[in-house]
Amino acid sequence: RKEVEQDPGPFNVPEGATVAFNCTYSNSASQSFFWYRQDCRKEPKLLMSVYSSGNEDGRFTAQLNRASQYISLLIRDSKLSDSATYLCVVRGKDSNYQLIWGAGTKLIIKP
Amino acid sequence: DVKVTQSSRYLVKRTGEKVFLECVQDMDHENMFWYRQDPGLGLRLIYFSYDVKMKEKGDIPEGYSVSREKKERFSLILESASTNQTSMYLCASTLSGANIQYFGAGTRLSVL
Repeated sequence: RKEVEQDPGPFNVPEGATVAFNCTYSNSASQSFFWYRQDCRKEPKLLMSVYSSGNEDGRFTAQLNRASQYISLLIRDSKLSDSATYLCVVRGKDSNYQLIWGAGTKLIIKP
Repeated sequence: DVKVTQSSRYLVKRTGEKVFLECVQDMDHENMFWYRQDPGLGLRLIYFSYDVKMKEKGDIPEGYSVSREKKERFSLILESASTNQTSMYLCASTLSGANIQYFGAGTRLSVL
């Protein structure tokens, strides 16, 4: 089983719709969680950190469910520019430097 | 803004060649990382360095070595390139203890 698992998609979503996807992690001791965004043929960039209480940044909401060991990302009022691959990233308690990366979920927003 | 610069965007090399991938960051970050990214596999850590002349193996170090002679520069070396090393290589840096990694634009390496 992979340490961090994501549905690869693609999720094909009409512009203006709400879309959500999850990421599961296997290490219950994981401490920190993030969503990165990666555009086609570009480098990953931090989208948002995921806090225990959940957090929101504009149209984006991230949630953490420790009991079921998953994090989620919800995008409201999706824009064409939201089309990208969304990478789930987890940092374990004992891994001082290392992040564990999911393979990503591809999102395509259609006009 | 943090800037992480990788020396080449695209490289084509032949099997058996020695390949150098260079990465430079301008924010005085202590930690630097080399990943490779392949479809369906996500980013896999090859090596990382938390200080000058220090290096640690990541998950897939076989066939690679690294060098960090100066704080701002972290080099990835393929001693004898093989076709299974065809991949996208990403360099990243971060401050000590920080979670957020800043990436270079990547080097797409093809080994023929």
